[in-house]
Amino acid sequence: QKEVEQNSGPLSVPEGAIASLNCTYSDRGSQSFFWYRQYSGKSPELIMFIYSNGDKEDGRFTAQLNKASQYVSLLIRDSQPSDSATYLCAVISSSGYALNFGKGTSLLVTP
Amino acid sequence: DAGVIQSPRHEVTEMGQEVTLRCKPISGHDYLFWYRQTMMRGLELLIYFNNNVPIDDSGMPEDRFSAKMPNASFSTLKIQPSEPRDSAVYFCASSQGNSNQPQHFGDGTRLSIL
Repeated sequence: QKEVEQNSGPLSVPEGAIASLNCTYSDRGSQSFFWYRQYSGKSPELIMFIYSNGDKEDGRFTAQLNKASQYVSLLIRDSQPSDSATYLCAVISSSGYALNFGKGTSLLVTP
Repeated sequence: DAGVIQSPRHEVTEMGQEVTLRCKPISGHDYLFWYRQTMMRGLELLIYFNNNVPIDDSGMPEDRFSAKMPNASFSTLKIQPSEPRDSAVYFCASSQGNSNQPQHFGDGTRLSIL
């Protein structure tokens, strides 16, 4: 069973702080990693994707990948109340094109 | 550009009825995915197509579920007969090219089976 694990939260951070969301995956051959944001009652929206070890930055978002530890994270700097949502980690396994999703981490940014 | 379009947005029907969900992928995308989301199990892949051909249907729960993609711009997911445990949000997503390309999701169909 190829699994993607996330802490369900909720993770509560004050406005302006850094939110750190973490994800581990079991398929060592995985090559592509994605972070989606999902507001309540809405569809998943792509935030970041990363393929190589290290950091990738896009605005307030930074994705970090460590393939040796099978660990991927998302940092949100200067968190805003509008960032409050569920963040889904998704991994494309070594065997195909389908996304394996974690169950998501609920983030709450308090004013 | 139009995103992935799903219909209907909401469907409420009685147990035993046939349910058909529809999806129009983003033009030019050659991969189409059907997912189901529930509180208990999260987002699960049901089936995906490449160039209209089903590639992996191992996530389809049972024979009551079927999916087709008659052309590059249309796909259906059918449940017959429907059961209350099929109640969930069903998402369609599409992507282009290889596995490094992100998938873009439609707004989903919220299905309630009474």
